[in-house]
Formats: sequence, structure tokens, C-alpha cells
Amino acid sequence: DVKVTQSSRYLVKRTGEKVFLECVQDMDHENMFWYRQDPGLGLRLIYFSYDVKMKEKGDIPEGYSVSREKKERFSLILESASTNQTSMYLCASRPPGRPNEKLFFGSGTQLSVL
Amino acid sequence: AQSVSQHNHHVILSEAASLELGCNYSYGGTVNLFWYVQYPGQHLQLLLKYFSGDPLVKGIKGFEAEFIKSKFSFNLRKPSVQWSDTAEYFCAILNTGRRALTFGSGTRLQVQP
Repeated sequence: DVKVTQSSRYLVKRTGEKVFLECVQDMDHENMFWYRQDPGLGLRLIYFSYDVKMKEKGDIPEGYSVSREKKERFSLILESASTNQTSMYLCASRPPGRPNEKLFFGSGTQLSVL
Repeated sequence: AQSVSQHNHHVILSEAASLELGCNYSYGGTVNLFWYVQYPGQHLQLLLKYFSGDPLVKGIKGFEAEFIKSKFSFNLRKPSVQWSDTAEYFCAILNTGRRALTFGSGTRLQVQP
């Protein structure tokens, strides 16, 4: 079965710190996504990538950047963490081919910015 | 842009009750619609999806959804819920330009034994 692994389950950072959230998938998926999940707001798309070194902005990219140096790894970077970035961050991947294929999600990283 | 709305934010049911969770989408063209579920402490997983054909879609764990184009709706149903259905349910639509999903705000379902 496909595995999407997020490096940390819980993370506590201070305002202004640079934060790296890592995501690795083991099924050679080309498509990878970063969402944040907030109560009452559902999941909102931050960034996504269709291939190595490729990235596209989602609906809420401000304050974030991403890196995709290898196919299996998609990193989300908070350049200078702020308290309004406290959230659950979810990584997902999708097989190549039809875009209506299902997403495979990681377990999430609960980030608290103090 | 394609979007979905879920108007029920929190639903409480007793076991064996019937379930219907609302999802309305906004897009006049061809749509691809999904329902995902997040059980407590678990990752999101796909319940069912619609992209063409029979508007009544059957998914896992006894769930089904009906695509009604005239109402712009894709409601999730289950005839008889169990305590184990306690979870958060998300409707989603495929943004065909981006080839990425846009999710609704979610509905938290609590099933009481």
C-alpha cells in the first residue's frame, strides 16, 4: 500500500523561526500536495507539484514556500513562522495519469507557533 | 473557480439512524466530486467519487452519494449509521485547471451508542 510519511507528528516553534515540514512518499507518485487543515475551514491548498523542481501556488501560498528536489520528497517551508500558521499540515500524493484518482494522505503534522 | 459548500458543520445521530450530509458545488461544467473521511487519529481516506456515468455512487463502508446536476448537489448518505462512523467528512471537487482538489469546510459526525 502507498505510504505518505510526514517527518513529525507534533512540532512547536517560535515566532520568526524558519520551519521545514517534510513529506516522503514511496510509490513514485509525480503529484504531491500540501494542505493545511483548520477547524471550520476544512482543507486549504497551499502548494502543489507535478514533478521534480516544479511547483504551483495553491489558494493560500503567502508565507510559505516549497521544495521538490527529488520525486519522492516534497518539503513545505515557513520562511518566518507566525502564530496564524499554527495548524495541522497535511501532505498528499497522487499517482500519475487521470487527475480524478484518489489522493493518499499522510498522518499530518500539528504545528504550534508560539 | 470550482468550490464546494458543506452547510452541516456538526451532526449528532443515534446508532441506526439514517444519515444525509449535504454538499453543494459551484461550477456549471463537467465536475469530478469526492467524499473523504477522517476518523479520529487517522489520515484522510477516500469514501467515494463521481466523475461520470451513474449519478448514484456507492462507496466503502455502506456509504453512497447522489449527484444531482439540477441541484448542484452531491449529498452523502448511509441508511443506518454505526458508532464507528464517528468522523469528519469532507466533500471535494476537482479543480480541472489545476488538477488539484478543493475541499469543503467539513462536517463532524458524532454517532451516539
